[in-house]
Amino acid sequence: QKEVEQNSGPLSVPEGAIASLNCTYSDRGSQSFFWYRQYSGKSPELIMFIYSNGDKEDGRFTAQLNKASQYVSLLIRDSQPSDSATYLCAVKGPEGKLIFGQGTELSVKP
Amino acid sequence: EPEVTQTPSHQVTQMGQEVILRCVPISNHLYFYWYRQILGQKVEFLVSFYNNEISEKSEIFDDQFSVERPDGSNFTLKIRSTKLEDSAMYFCASSEALRASGEADTQYFGPGTRLTVL
Repeated sequence: QKEVEQNSGPLSVPEGAIASLNCTYSDRGSQSFFWYRQYSGKSPELIMFIYSNGDKEDGRFTAQLNKASQYVSLLIRDSQPSDSATYLCAVKGPEGKLIFGQGTELSVKP
Repeated sequence: EPEVTQTPSHQVTQMGQEVILRCVPISNHLYFYWYRQILGQKVEFLVSFYNNEISEKSEIFDDQFSVERPDGSNFTLKIRSTKLEDSAMYFCASSEALRASGEADTQYFGPGTRLTVL
């Protein structure tokens, strides 16, 4: 059973701090990795995708991928209260489906 | 910006009734998906659809479920005889491609239909 694991949190950070969200996956052959944000009662909203080892930056967000360790992370710099949401890590399976983790709830305190 | 749309936003039904959930994927996308999320649980894959055929389905997607693309724009999920445990948010998603290393295979989600089975 291919799994994606995340700490469910809640992760609480003060406004302006860096939030670090982590994800591990079990299928060593996985190639595509996604971070989605989900506000309560809403649908997943894409933040970033990453395919290559290393870092990928987009504004305040940085995704990091380490395929050898089967580890993906998302850093949010200068966290804002509006970043408070559940962050979903998703790994694409070989036939295209997304396999989601449980999600990490982030709370940014003013 | 193009987006996936879903109707209705909330559907309440009695156990044993049939429901049809509707989705309009992004217009140039070729791959369509249904996912569901039971309250407090993770998002789960149900089925993928390409070229008028099911590409992949999960164990959840049993004989009570079916999908259809009845015309050039709509993509539907039918549950023939709903059970209490079918109560969940159902999300439709679409992507331009299946396997790629860029924007093209990213799946974009609709706002969801909240299904409540009484």
